[in-house]
Amino acid sequence: LAKTTQPISMDSYEGQEVNITCSHNNIATNDYITWYQQFPSQGPRFIIQGYKTKVTNEVASLFIPADRKSSTLSLPRVSLSDTAVYYCLVGDMDSNYQLIWGAGTKLIIKP
Amino acid sequence: EAQVTQNPRYLITVTGKKLTVTCSQNMNHEYMSWYRQDPGLGLRQIYYSMNVEVTDKGDVPEGYKVSRKEKRNFPLILESPSPNQTSLYFCASSWRGGNEKLFFGSGTQLSVL
Repeated sequence: LAKTTQPISMDSYEGQEVNITCSHNNIATNDYITWYQQFPSQGPRFIIQGYKTKVTNEVASLFIPADRKSSTLSLPRVSLSDTAVYYCLVGDMDSNYQLIWGAGTKLIIKP
Repeated sequence: EAQVTQNPRYLITVTGKKLTVTCSQNMNHEYMSWYRQDPGLGLRQIYYSMNVEVTDKGDVPEGYKVSRKEKRNFPLILESPSPNQTSLYFCASSWRGGNEKLFFGSGTQLSVL
């Protein structure tokens, strides 16, 4: 089964760029790597998704190396409202539709 | 507005009293899923459904039932709830499953006394 590893927590300051890396092995070769954001007592919310190289949208960038054994979520110029838990999500190589969630990284942004 | 609607938002019940948590999506998604979230354990999948009348066990299916009689609805049934099912539950849907973008409901906080 695929396995993911993320830092448990991270701190940063407003205006900084924050990078959160997720290591993942044995992931499905033909599936996306996805990141979600979750605020307390709310459902996770989709942030960004990619297959390889770099993807950017209005809120984040996602960097995926060629071997796809990790992915890095980059949040530019964070604000206090970016304080949340961030999850990576990958598909398992051996099992159709089995999604493997990371344990989540609690990001705390300080003023 | 595209959304996944769960009800109720909060539920307190007693051991053994059957309950149902409803989930409905208005996006014509084929894939629906239930998760529970416990402190320190992250999101764990209970059941999922690839389409109408097609359901499969996730990581922690014991003590739960689901049904998918219509595409939009995917209720979670606890026939005989126990205290270890006290948790925060989320319903989610996506177009076709896999690692496609998931839309989550607001959650149901269940307490079993």
